[in-house]
Amino acid sequence: ETGVTQTPRHLVMGMTNKKSLKCEQHLGHNAMYWYKQSAKKPLELMFVYSLEERVENNSVPSRFSPECPNSSHLFLHLHTLQPEDSALYLCASSLDTGTLTGELFFGEGSRLTVL
Amino acid sequence: AQSVTQPDIHITVSEGASLELRCNYSYGATPYLFWYVQSPGQGLQLLLKYFSGDTLVQGIKGFEAEFKRSQSSFNLRKPSVHWSDAAEYFCAVGAESSASKIIFGSGTRLSIRP
Repeated sequence: ETGVTQTPRHLVMGMTNKKSLKCEQHLGHNAMYWYKQSAKKPLELMFVYSLEERVENNSVPSRFSPECPNSSHLFLHLHTLQPEDSALYLCASSLDTGTLTGELFFGEGSRLTVL
Repeated sequence: AQSVTQPDIHITVSEGASLELRCNYSYGATPYLFWYVQSPGQGLQLLLKYFSGDTLVQGIKGFEAEFKRSQSSFNLRKPSVHWSDAAEYFCAVGAESSASKIIFGSGTRLSIRP
């Protein structure tokens, strides 16, 4: 496989459930990102990891918990979500965060519906 | 802090017609500018980027964009659209030396009329 792969593609969960989104990149990149894409709103950056260390957390509620066990894998653990958390969650990677010479490579997203 | 505005939420053009999607940015220094495309059910894909140099930038799929500092604009153009160009287009602006500082616009949805 190449590129950025996200699983599952679709997820429906109740507000009391616990689930996780997974992202895997095969590009040899050192930085990984979680974005939230809601209808009619700009992409919202949630978390940034560089070499497995979290370098940015944009005031995201604690019901979203990221995990980056290595530079190829990124998880987003979900618990006690609210209906307004329903959105497309996009994972991206880049060579690194320090230089803006490259681009963001996005996965296809995980469509989350919270009932 | 930087910001980016895409004034058009939805545009419809006929197949074979020319296209221009508008993007205006706000940033105090020289911006890093991007256009991404998102096809239905897909992630975002980079079309082109501007960092410095020639203000007319060529991208993939026949797209180009022109950086106009005086107008704070980075409009995307294509001389003749194809039905496969129907998608959502996002303009983005980045701050120097930080990939984590990219700010995206709200997007413009492009529909193609047969």
